[in-house]
Formats: sequence, C-alpha cells, structure tokens
Amino acid sequence: QVHLVQSGVEVKKPGASVKVSCKATGFSLSDYGVSWVRQAPGEGLEWMGWISSYKGMTDFAQKFQGRVTLTTDTSTSAAYMDLRSLRSDDTAIYYCARVNYYYGTSMSMDVWGPGTTVIVSS
Amino acid sequence: EIVLTQSPGTLSLSPGERATLSCRTSQSVDSTYLAWFQQKPGQAPRLLIYATLNRATGIPDRFSGSGSGTDFTLAISRLEPEDFAVYYCQQYGSPWTFGQGTKVEIK
Repeated sequence: QVHLVQSGVEVKKPGASVKVSCKATGFSLSDYGVSWVRQAPGEGLEWMGWISSYKGMTDFAQKFQGRVTLTTDTSTSAAYMDLRSLRSDDTAIYYCARVNYYYGTSMSMDVWGPGTTVIVSS
Repeated sequence: EIVLTQSPGTLSLSPGERATLSCRTSQSVDSTYLAWFQQKPGQAPRLLIYATLNRATGIPDRFSGSGSGTDFTLAISRLEPEDFAVYYCQQYGSPWTFGQGTKVEIK
C-alpha cells in the first residue's frame, strides 16, 4: 500500500521555525518528487514548493523563497519541510504529496499525506 | 505566474444531475500539466484527473476532463452523494498554481 505519513500537530511562537516530516511507505522516494501544499483555515490550496528526485532540485513559490527548505532522505524514505520566521498567517494544514512523473510524459501530485496542523500563536 | 480562475464559485445541484466545472488560465497551459483535485471537509485533496483528461487510479468514469489552451473543464456525468465536495484545478508550470476552488453542494 502506498502511503505518506506526516508528523503531528505543531504549536509554535512567532519567529520560530517548524520542521514537518513526511514518510513514504510502499514506494521509493528515489523515483518520485515530493511537493508541499498548505491550506489556511477556511481557505483554498496554496502550493509552496517541491523537491525533485533528480539531483534534489527544488522549486518554490516566490512568497516562500528564502524562508522554506525542502529535503529528502532516501535512506529513511522521508521528506522534510522546514519553514522559518513563522508568522500568525502561517497557521495552516501542511500537506506533502508524491509527484509522479508518468515516465516523463506528465506530472501530478497523485498521493497525499493526511496533513500536519501548524499553529503559530504567541 | 499563471492565474487559474474557476467558475462558478458554488454549484448547487441534485444527485443524478450533471456538473460542469470551468477552469480558465491567464496564459496558455500545456495540457499535459493540468490536473483536477477533489477535497472533502477534513480530508486531504485527492487527485481526480491529470494531463487534462486522464483519470487517476480508482476514479470512476463519471468524472471526465477536457480542454486546451486557457479553457479546461471537469465534468461529472451523474452526481453521486459522495461527489459533493470542493474541486480544484491546478497547473504545473513554474510556479505551480491552484484555482480558488468550486464547491459542489446539494441543492
């Protein structure tokens, strides 16, 4: 069974950092990318960035450039999203998703984790 | 950045009816990089359609996608009770972007 398992709820103060983990089961992260998407309460989906399995290349939405780091550890089949300088408007559910390349013909986020709630509050 | 505009914002329909959801992009999008997702309350999004018209694994054939250029459509031929949800289109040109969503609600 193909799954992504994410770390638990995080409560952080403004200015702090948070690191969310995403563990893959049933497939290898060597063969797929990992994308991160967040959803603020009552809002739509917001793409943050993704990390490719090809040389670990990354791409980010401009608003997150310089504030987020994405990494993967293929030996433990885990991906990580590190968000710094947290603000109250970073309060959201953070999802990781597998990026399937379909043998180079297309791309999609085809498997999603359950989400990690991050609350930023003083 | 490519902006995706979905319409309508809310679609009120009865089970058994056909739903047609629109996604317009601010620039032409490669159709191999356009996807649709379904999200129910309290759940993660689920991939429905990738590359404009390909159903993801396990997605019933009442869901279909079409379109090209700047106009894309998700159709649900006969709404089942479990289809009432929010639907998002999304494109994979850098940076990736989502539409704002269309809520399909029970009339």
